[in-house]
Amino acid sequence: GAGVSQTPSNKVTEKGKYVELRCDPISGHTALYWYRQSLGQGPEFLIYFQGTGAADDSGLPNDRFFAVRPEGSVSTLKIQRTERGDSAVYLCASSSQGVSTEAFFGQGTRLTVV
Amino acid sequence: ELKVEQNPLFLSMQEGKNYTIYCNYSTTSDRLYWYRQDPGKSLESLFVLLSNGAVKQEGRLMASLDTKARLSTLHITAAVHDLSATYFCAVDLGAGNNRKLIWGLGTSLAVNP
Repeated sequence: GAGVSQTPSNKVTEKGKYVELRCDPISGHTALYWYRQSLGQGPEFLIYFQGTGAADDSGLPNDRFFAVRPEGSVSTLKIQRTERGDSAVYLCASSSQGVSTEAFFGQGTRLTVV
Repeated sequence: ELKVEQNPLFLSMQEGKNYTIYCNYSTTSDRLYWYRQDPGKSLESLFVLLSNGAVKQEGRLMASLDTKARLSTLHITAAVHDLSATYFCAVDLGAGNNRKLIWGLGTSLAVNP
């Protein structure tokens, strides 16, 4: 498809487990973002990739969260030792070059930590 | 700390009526976005406002930006049921290509027959 694709759409995991969330951006988009959205809230910025490098990871809440984008396309958000407070919808977005471009969002992965 | 405040947070209106949603923010930025989110769905880009005085219209929706007042408005004209959704404004704090968006809480709009 032409849009941002995220897998899985839903993930239930036990507290303390490790999870990986995948994002496939729009083809040709060099910028990729991870946000998370808790119920009743607006999204919260986590990290921004320009190409393969994490250009801004200021939103990652702690060192349990890590993201990679090794070939400048698909990205994986990794969460270690999950906690119940990590439960949220994790949104991926991508955008093309240019200061006037908007970010296009995927459908999100709903993560539930039990 | 940047704050982005939307009001109202909940809005119930009748079809055919007009209304305005307000988005105030607390720091300097000249880039602001409006998104729509339907229940259980992702975020759909509505408007990109890039300069002071920018005004954009699409169908029954019109958005404007006043960077001096740090205020954006989303005006709804002659509302129809299909506009029922949550509307978010987001202020761009990123530099260059970084779309580091700080979001309001959203305005949940219900348009009733």
